[in-house]
Amino acid sequence: DTEVTQTPKHLVMGMTNKKSLKCEQHMGHRAMYWYKQKAKKPPELMFVYSYEKLSINESVPSRFSPECPNSSLLNLHLHALQPEDSALYLCASSPQDRFAYEQYFGPGTRLTVT
Amino acid sequence: AQSVTQPDIHITVSEGASLELRCNYSYGATPYLFWYVQSPGQGLQLLLKYFSGDTLVQGIKGFEAEFKRSQSSFNLRKPSVHWSDAAEYFCAVVAEGSARQLTFGSGTQLTVLP
Repeated sequence: DTEVTQTPKHLVMGMTNKKSLKCEQHMGHRAMYWYKQKAKKPPELMFVYSYEKLSINESVPSRFSPECPNSSLLNLHLHALQPEDSALYLCASSPQDRFAYEQYFGPGTRLTVT
Repeated sequence: AQSVTQPDIHITVSEGASLELRCNYSYGATPYLFWYVQSPGQGLQLLLKYFSGDTLVQGIKGFEAEFKRSQSSFNLRKPSVHWSDAAEYFCAVVAEGSARQLTFGSGTQLTVLP
């Protein structure tokens, strides 16, 4: 299984809602990532988890809250988002061996904040 | 800090024609280099990677790339383009010891004419 899955595919939420994005991989990778991608732009790194511990937070606003419950699962909890947070949210994972720099991406969740 | 430049924002080729997408990187030591492809509304798919060794690397879907240290380049090529190759292409670099932070180029949009 060489796949990263993300749910839901699409999400529409109001600015007062609380929602969560989910990412799952079963490749035995021990590093997982959240990226945000606006239209016609490259992905921007948000968070990195290594061995279920948060290792990088790229100064992301607190309305985004990541969680890594186990080595296969990564969540992104959303609360009080702004319309400018509308974007494609991508999850990725990578191994911890000599291919640690090789990231595998999921299909993304298209988020619209109204 | 490392950086990646993709000089061509948009390239149009006819189906069956050859393709070359340019990528230049800035980094003092040998970087780890990647090409990713993204179809509209989809995640990123890894086309190929260069870590070390043979400077001509083969990837999926008939793509290849050549690492040229003297020119700080990692250009992507395909001898005969198919209509299904129309997508956004991102070059990316990771610096060794950089906690696996991918630095992406701004992307090149490929249009394929019938």
